[in-house]
Amino acid sequence: EPEVTQTPSHQVTQMGQEVILRCVPISNHLYFYWYRQILGQKVEFLVSFYNNEISEKSEIFDDQFSVERPDGSNFTLKIRSTKLEDSAMYFCASRYEGNQPQHFGDGTRLSIL
Amino acid sequence: AQSVSQHNHHVILSEAASLELGCNYSYGGTVNLFWYVQYPGQHLQLLLKYFSGDPLVKGIKGFEAEFIKSKFSFNLRKPSVQWSDTAEYFCAVTAYQAGTALIFGKGTTLSVSS
Repeated sequence: EPEVTQTPSHQVTQMGQEVILRCVPISNHLYFYWYRQILGQKVEFLVSFYNNEISEKSEIFDDQFSVERPDGSNFTLKIRSTKLEDSAMYFCASRYEGNQPQHFGDGTRLSIL
Repeated sequence: AQSVSQHNHHVILSEAASLELGCNYSYGGTVNLFWYVQYPGQHLQLLLKYFSGDPLVKGIKGFEAEFIKSKFSFNLRKPSVQWSDTAEYFCAVTAYQAGTALIFGKGTTLSVSS
């Protein structure tokens, strides 16, 4: 079964540094998502992306965050100047269309020091 | 704003016991409802979903859930759990015409002893 893949599995970064989290969605999927889960808290929606543009974003997704689909396969989340509170597990998801459910990757654990 | 509540933080059961995990959502309109499971070290996987039709939904691995609109609930059930069901279970909702972002509950950790 095709899977969503995320790299790296664990990223350790100094506060203030930029970080890019990478995702390869399932190949024929059209909608792409980023979620995050701070330790002990809910999985929270960050942003969705469709047709090469952001279709929805949450209050969390401020100017520090950006997403890109630089080629036909990758979907990236960039955090420009990381803060301690950005430490979390970041999940990428994709789905085909219509009522098809979202498929999730294994996540990237981001640790800000 | 929409929200999802899962009543049980940690449930501990013996094998063959019956399971019911509670989930309530707050949104007055049409919703799509999901249960995802995360086994240790693995990604979130879809257990089952409800979009419309029969409010009793059957999913994988013997799980089912019942949508009760009047109670804004979508409880997950399994008549007889196995050790391999040990995992974290997440209820999630998308609100029709409010986008496709999943709104998750906090999750319930299920521990099954053999």
